[in-house]
Amino acid sequence: GQSLEQPSEVTAVEGAIVQINCTYQTSGFYGLSWYQQHDGGAPTFLSYNALDGLEETGRFSSFLSRSDSYGYLLLQELQMKDSASYFCAVRDQSYGQNFVFGPGTRLSVLP
Amino acid sequence: SAVISQKPSRDICQRGTSLTIQCQVDSQVTMMFWYRQQPGQSLTLIATANQGSEATYESGFVIDKFPISRPNLTFSTLTVSNMSPEDSSIYLCSVGDRRPNEKLFFGSGTQLSVL
Repeated sequence: GQSLEQPSEVTAVEGAIVQINCTYQTSGFYGLSWYQQHDGGAPTFLSYNALDGLEETGRFSSFLSRSDSYGYLLLQELQMKDSASYFCAVRDQSYGQNFVFGPGTRLSVLP
Repeated sequence: SAVISQKPSRDICQRGTSLTIQCQVDSQVTMMFWYRQQPGQSLTLIATANQGSEATYESGFVIDKFPISRPNLTFSTLTVSNMSPEDSSIYLCSVGDRRPNEKLFFGSGTQLSVL
């Protein structure tokens, strides 16, 4: 089976940097994704890592270590609009190559 | 990218009735996915719908309760049958991108409340 763990809540101030961790257990790992979801909205794709290392997209970066079954999402220069829930999701061979979502981390950005 | 239109956006239904949710994509896609997101929770895959074949349901979800249609490559429906208050949730349709399915695009969701 699959399981993912994320912190349930993270709080930071505007302009700060925050890291949201994700650990996973799968039997056929393909890749790790991150999604952002604002209250009342649909999840939107942020990043995908299939290989070890850091992927940078603007203020957001995502890291993967397959040997440690670990990844993180790094948000820099936090803005109020970054307040949202963030989900990691693993694409798993044993799950028909579908994505399994983590429990989500609620990020609150304070002024 | 894909643009997904999902409707209704929300509904309030009586116990024992059924609701059909529609999902229209602006391009042809092989697989469409239906997720459920209970309040404050994560996303759980209900089923994968391929055009021309029966949907594949995940553990805990059955066709009699959540029948799915996939008449063509741009459209799908999910019906929530014989509803109970426990079915109150957000239902989301989703499609993957064309190349190796690295990302999912989601419809705006249907917020269902069952009284």
